Amino acid sequence: SQQGEEDPQALSIQEGENATMNCSYKTSINNLQWYRQNSGRGLVHLILIRSNEREKHSGRLRVTLDTSKKSSSLLITASRAADTASYFCATDAQIQGAQKLVFGQGTRLTINP
Amino acid sequence: NAGVTQTPKFRVLKTGQSMTLLCAQDMNHEYMYWYRQDPGMGLRLIHYSVGEGTTAKGEVPDGYNVSRLKKQNFLLGLESAAPSQTSVYFCASSYDRGDYSNQPQHFGDGTRLSIL
Repeated sequence: SQQGEEDPQALSIQEGENATMNCSYKTSINNLQWYRQNSGRGLVHLILIRSNEREKHSGRLRVTLDTSKKSSSLLITASRAADTASYFCATDAQIQGAQKLVFGQGTRLTINP
Repeated sequence: NAGVTQTPKFRVLKTGQSMTLLCAQDMNHEYMYWYRQDPGMGLRLIHYSVGEGTTAKGEVPDGYNVSRLKKQNFLLGLESAAPSQTSVYFCASSYDRGDYSNQPQHFGDGTRLSIL
């Protein structure tokens, strides 16, 4: 079963608008990461937020983490056509006795010009 | 700076055939991983390696074998391909700085594999 679940599965907005994606997870974590995947390409790391952090910024990206609700959100401000991609959250989880990075199913974001 | 390179990019196999996917990284990373990505399933970890000469099973290891003879290379083998192994396969690598799950992973662009 997946540790992280993104919501919504798909999001379509106009260029210039803000895009918000959410991630919920089941068990306690040490950190949570967000990745972007352009069509036909590999995942690219965007930002890592540790369990003792509540908010983190990187350029037009803002990530929040609420460990009490076991959820995180990724906000992309002033969206651009180039932001069209799938976005994944990834959390650390125990698999077969060792720490692993577990990815959610992703949010497919479309920015309309 | 190549990062993580996967070969081949595309391959079509017949059921029962074997093949090896190659992953090479030039960042001197200790950890390397193989994932498969299927529609609606996200990425699932097949096998991983924490250093040269070591390998370990991930979430979905059945039907796959791996080897890490050199630090920069991580090979994924399918001994007898099955249609259920049709997927996009991604290799990734990361630094060793204690708990590896804290480190960003660097991904290749994938191998698209179809098993007929």
